[in-house]
Amino acid sequence: GESVGLHLPTLSVQEGDNSIINCAYSNSASDYFIWYKQESGKGPQFIIDIRSNMDKRQGQRVTVLLNKTVKHLSLQIAATQPGDSAVYFCAENQVYGQNFVFGPGTRLSVLP
Amino acid sequence: DAGVIQSPRHEVTEMGQEVTLRCKPISGHDYLFWYRQTMMRGLELLIYFNNNVPIDDSGMPEDRFSAKMPNASFSTLKIQPSEPRDSAVYFCASSGQQETQYFGPGTRLLVL
Repeated sequence: GESVGLHLPTLSVQEGDNSIINCAYSNSASDYFIWYKQESGKGPQFIIDIRSNMDKRQGQRVTVLLNKTVKHLSLQIAATQPGDSAVYFCAENQVYGQNFVFGPGTRLSVLP
Repeated sequence: DAGVIQSPRHEVTEMGQEVTLRCKPISGHDYLFWYRQTMMRGLELLIYFNNNVPIDDSGMPEDRFSAKMPNASFSTLKIQPSEPRDSAVYFCASSGQQETQYFGPGTRLLVL
């Protein structure tokens, strides 16, 4: 079946640099996307979301970009901090408020 | 609000034993989700409820797994009999009509 996938399983960045985490999705019917952050020993935590009628959304130090033409989603983290070290998941949803499909995750390591 | 509460946080049991995982969703949320997370398969949706009614249980691995939601503030996921391959972290999440899912801290299950 269709699924969400990530290009890079691991990403290492220097503290203070910007991070970009990518996600490819295969279902063109997906209309809602969420990025989650999961720290060790904890459950996934909501970071930011975007609907298919938008191509960009900004939060505090985070920006999500959606390119529906190539079915690509990215999460940009500005001025990456040690506390940003975690696994990041993208998730897609085709039906309002219900079933999400999660990608395999990308591990972000912030180097001092 | 205390967020989604799960118990126990850790469970070690022997193959063949019954395991019951518990979840208290965020008050006022209409949806409750049960997920399983493993290194091999990532985060998988097992079942979700809307207003205490199971909507989609297609992710439940087999008949050994069952889930109930007797009221809006409590749900259980039961495995009987348990097997070593059931070892994983089980997450409960809840959401309202705004779609964002809030995850609990998870239950780490080890079946020997």
